[in-house]
Amino acid sequence: SAVISQKPSRDICQRGTSLTIQCQVDSQVTMMFWYRQQPGQSLTLIATANQGSEATYESGFVIDKFPISRPNLTFSTLTVSNMSPEDSSIYLCSVEQGGDTQYFGPGTRLTVL
Amino acid sequence: SQQGEEDPQALSIQEGENATMNCSYKTSINNLQWYRQNSGRGLVHLILIRSNEREKHSGRLRVTLDTSKKSSSLLITASRAADTASYFCATHTGNQFYFGTGTSLTVIP
Repeated sequence: SAVISQKPSRDICQRGTSLTIQCQVDSQVTMMFWYRQQPGQSLTLIATANQGSEATYESGFVIDKFPISRPNLTFSTLTVSNMSPEDSSIYLCSVEQGGDTQYFGPGTRLTVL
Repeated sequence: SQQGEEDPQALSIQEGENATMNCSYKTSINNLQWYRQNSGRGLVHLILIRSNEREKHSGRLRVTLDTSKKSSSLLITASRAADTASYFCATHTGNQFYFGTGTSLTVIP
């Protein structure tokens, strides 16, 4: 299975600022996913990022708020822009392998004051 | 929403007992997967069961799938304190994954 790392592991940010989260995979993958997990909740898919194309956003998430880059087959970034306390969550990246299984990074715990 | 529902929401058992958690979903699926999440961490893939399978084992884990009832169960036998975590089911349909609401399991030493 893929080994996935995320940076930072956690951060505390001020309202109105932006944070970029990095996701690095140890192998080339076509599809990468970004999820948000609010406290005590399940995972909500933000967007799917395929290399060489624009990210596909789920309902309720927009590119201006969550811009995503996917410069190559092993790396992606998610930016949380103009943050508010409601953005406090764990942000998780994942990759699909074998056509049917997702593997997750360790997550980034974001607190917005 | 196609998100799965899990029950119970929370489960507390003594070490050595078995833990059973259930997942129900709404649409046809390619497969169903179970994940574990330790507090504030990423998800760890536990087991995958395909839509044409009814039961699968992996170590102390036993998963069943009933596609007619659109439900699955995860059984953890001989539980350990280290099994304390949240457990999520995820259905795979087309190229979409939908995660359930999760069961928080506490195993008391």
